Amino acid sequence: DTAVSQTPKYLVTQMGNDKSIKCEQNLGHDTMYWYKQDSKKFLKIMFSYNNKELIINETVPNRFSPKSPDKAHLNLHINSLELGDSAVYFCASSRSGRGQQPQHFGDGTRLSIL
Amino acid sequence: AQSVSQHNHHVILSEAASLELGCNYSYGGTVNLFWYVQYPGQHLQLLLKYFSGDPLVKGIKGFEAEFIKSKFSFNLRKPSVQWSDTAEYFCAVNGGNQGGKLIFGQGTELSVKP
Repeated sequence: DTAVSQTPKYLVTQMGNDKSIKCEQNLGHDTMYWYKQDSKKFLKIMFSYNNKELIINETVPNRFSPKSPDKAHLNLHINSLELGDSAVYFCASSRSGRGQQPQHFGDGTRLSIL
Repeated sequence: AQSVSQHNHHVILSEAASLELGCNYSYGGTVNLFWYVQYPGQHLQLLLKYFSGDPLVKGIKGFEAEFIKSKFSFNLRKPSVQWSDTAEYFCAVNGGNQGGKLIFGQGTELSVKP
């Protein structure tokens, strides 16, 4: 049973399109995150939700909009995709939003913009 | 601003060699420290964590790390590496008052030759 699952695993699309990435966790965690890993493997947090409420919102273009329908799901919608959006996007979850809780990561979604 | 620096970009070792990966952070307050590993094609997995107490922490697969507060360091060690340790290793820091926000280092790629 996959603890944190993301779909799709690969996403290839053209500039200007709108796409979504879905994330679900079955760990019963309260907090979920989105990270972006660039071509140099540098990981940077984008968003965090705790019980469906946004608690971390880094300096991310407003073309990126997270949505949490319930605490087990955190989806990422991206409008007007740009070449610089090409990256691997990781979803993660933790038991709470407190920093001591380790985060559990999904397998990542590799987004390629043509 | 918080930052994490991993000194080695790529480390190449032979099996049975000892490993030490450096990690330094900049943050003035209480910190929670983590090492994550990413095996080829897989998601990030927690190796070990430090919150408080004994500064020498032991993790999975024979890894350990030492927190040296005066040096702002949290180096990862393993006495004898195996070919299966080939992976990308990430140090991450959470400021104690920043919720679940993790700041990652740029990662160290470890290649172990059989």
